[in-house]
Amino acid sequence: DIQMTQSPSTLSASVGDRVTITCRASQSISSWLAWYQRKPGKAPKLLIYKASSLESGVPSRFSGSGSGTEFTLTISSLQPDDFATYYCQQYNSYLTFGGGTKVEIK
Amino acid sequence: QVQLQESGPGLVKPSETLSLTCTVSGGSISGYYWSWIRQPPGKGLEWIGYIYYSGYTNYNPSLKSRVTLSVDTSKNQFSLKLSSVTAADTAVYYCARHVEAYGHFDYWGQGTLVTVSS
Repeated sequence: DIQMTQSPSTLSASVGDRVTITCRASQSISSWLAWYQRKPGKAPKLLIYKASSLESGVPSRFSGSGSGTEFTLTISSLQPDDFATYYCQQYNSYLTFGGGTKVEIK
Repeated sequence: QVQLQESGPGLVKPSETLSLTCTVSGGSISGYYWSWIRQPPGKGLEWIGYIYYSGYTNYNPSLKSRVTLSVDTSKNQFSLKLSSVTAADTAVYYCARHVEAYGHFDYWGQGTLVTVSS
């Protein structure tokens, strides 16, 4: 199994902050990585696929980068709607997820 | 807009079979892969398995012996059966769509909590 490790597990930030979340794979996954946003009681939402491709309708303040084993999700200017939990997911071999990063209000 | 909705019992007894259905609206079940994913309390997300609209299945090896997925294209639904459940199977269960067998999930359901308890 490919293990995905996200950091940090919790992040405290303010509106307007630049936020970066990291996801590391236990072996190379090329660019086969997606990022999701999840809010309580709502369906998870796809933000980024293939490491850096922005899903249609997702605000441009979200961006993804990386390849191989290290990836990042960046929110350029945190908005009130962005306080949520974020997950990475690899799809190079089977399908596995990171442990999640909760972005909370500072 | 494609929407997915999980349904089924919220409480299952130990050793029994957990059964959930995902109903797809706003789009066809044909042409896509459909997965079940779960998250036990305090733990991470775990992919359970997928079914293609044609009926082809692929399961997480860790659950393969207990999982059965099925699809009903006439009802635009697919289903999960997990046998011999224990408290460790208590989780929020999600259904989701993907375009490729190993791919990202572009639509998800809201999730449904299933508790295993006597």
